Amino acid sequence: QKEVEQDPGPLSVPEGAIVSLNCTYSNSAFQYFMWYRQYSRKGPELLMYTYSSGNKEDGRFTAQVDKSSKYISLFIRDSQPSDSATYLCAMRGSSGGYQKVTFGTGTKLQVIP
Amino acid sequence: DVKVTQSSRYLVKRTGEKVFLECVQDMDHENMFWYRQDPGLGLRLIYFSYDVKMKEKGDIPEGYSVSREKKERFSLILESASTNQTSMYLCASSPPPYNEQFFGPGTRLTVL
Repeated sequence: QKEVEQDPGPLSVPEGAIVSLNCTYSNSAFQYFMWYRQYSRKGPELLMYTYSSGNKEDGRFTAQVDKSSKYISLFIRDSQPSDSATYLCAMRGSSGGYQKVTFGTGTKLQVIP
Repeated sequence: DVKVTQSSRYLVKRTGEKVFLECVQDMDHENMFWYRQDPGLGLRLIYFSYDVKMKEKGDIPEGYSVSREKKERFSLILESASTNQTSMYLCASSPPPYNEQFFGPGTRLTVL
């Protein structure tokens, strides 16, 4: 079983829809949770990160972490064609020093005009 | 604007060749990483370096080596390329507290 599971999609939605992207994980030591966006033929770029449980909002994007269920989500409101990309979840522990980041396999999102 | 650059976007090599992939960052980051990205497998860490001349194995180091002679440059070496090393290779750098990694555009390597 993978440490981080993510539905690969593709997920196709009409412009303006609310998008929900999700990951589950098995390692209870994970404390930091990140979402990266990767456009075609580009490297991933960080969208946002959260620490432990709770919500974090940044414009049209909301990240949610439920540590009790080992489940994280990224919501995109008023989705735009420019949001079409692959979204990768990532997570790491918080012990001192560098902690390896474990990535999900990514969900491909297409927003149709 | 922060930048991680990789020496090639596309590379085609023959089985058995020695392959060098170069990565340069201009952000003075201590940590640098090499990943490979494959469909269905996601990003897998090959090696990382936390300082000049320092390196640590990642999840899949077999068949690869790395070199970090200068802080800004991190090289990935395929000693004898094999077809199963055909992949997208991504370099990244990261400052403390390591929640954000800055990625290069990737090198798509094909080994024939």
